[in-house]
Amino acid sequence: GESVGLHLPTLSVQEGDNSIINCAYSNSASDYFIWYKQESGKGPQFIIDIRSNMDKRQGQRVTVLLNKTVKHLSLQIAATQPGDSAVYFCAEKWEYGNKLVFGAGTILRVKS
Amino acid sequence: NAGVTQTPKFRVLKTGQSMTLLCAQDMNHEYMYWYRQDPGMGLRLIHYSVGEGTTAKGEVPDGYNVSRLKKQNFLLGLESAAPSQTSVYFCASSPAYGLAGVPYFGPGTRLTVT
Repeated sequence: GESVGLHLPTLSVQEGDNSIINCAYSNSASDYFIWYKQESGKGPQFIIDIRSNMDKRQGQRVTVLLNKTVKHLSLQIAATQPGDSAVYFCAEKWEYGNKLVFGAGTILRVKS
Repeated sequence: NAGVTQTPKFRVLKTGQSMTLLCAQDMNHEYMYWYRQDPGMGLRLIHYSVGEGTTAKGEVPDGYNVSRLKKQNFLLGLESAAPSQTSVYFCASSPAYGLAGVPYFGPGTRLTVT
């Protein structure tokens, strides 16, 4: 999910399929990463996080993979449901920095 | 436990007018943040606070001021609104600094400056 200005990348999946949302992060010193879900008209909602000393972390129906070699993060959603339709943001943080830097986001559309 | 609340939800201003956005959190979090979100973009940090009585600049602080007189409240002020400040504003709070502090967001305030 690289930023393309006003046109966010969109991923369309069939209900029940697995979804993979990708994110390239910018700072090689970042050591903490968060995925947020944002539904229309709402604030970002925390989904899952991962520290840089891990390469995989699983939650309920979601898995985050971290590849520090290529500075790449992915969010896998199993058995995607219509309620998963939203914009998904990755965010990176450096332990001694004060700000969370957000990517531009990816739109996930789930077709029934 | 309401989490993070923001007031107002919507506002329309004319160029040059001033206003204050209020953020309140009931989670006893130390850290609070103001972000803006523009169409097709991620959130950008305006100002933040690491505790009562403290504030600091983020990525895009120009044209905004903030105050944190009470731990649970973080106010964002626009002294002289400009059309470039048309955006959705999100407040967030987190319990701690560093890796343990996941920010939790409020529902947002949609501001239009004409």
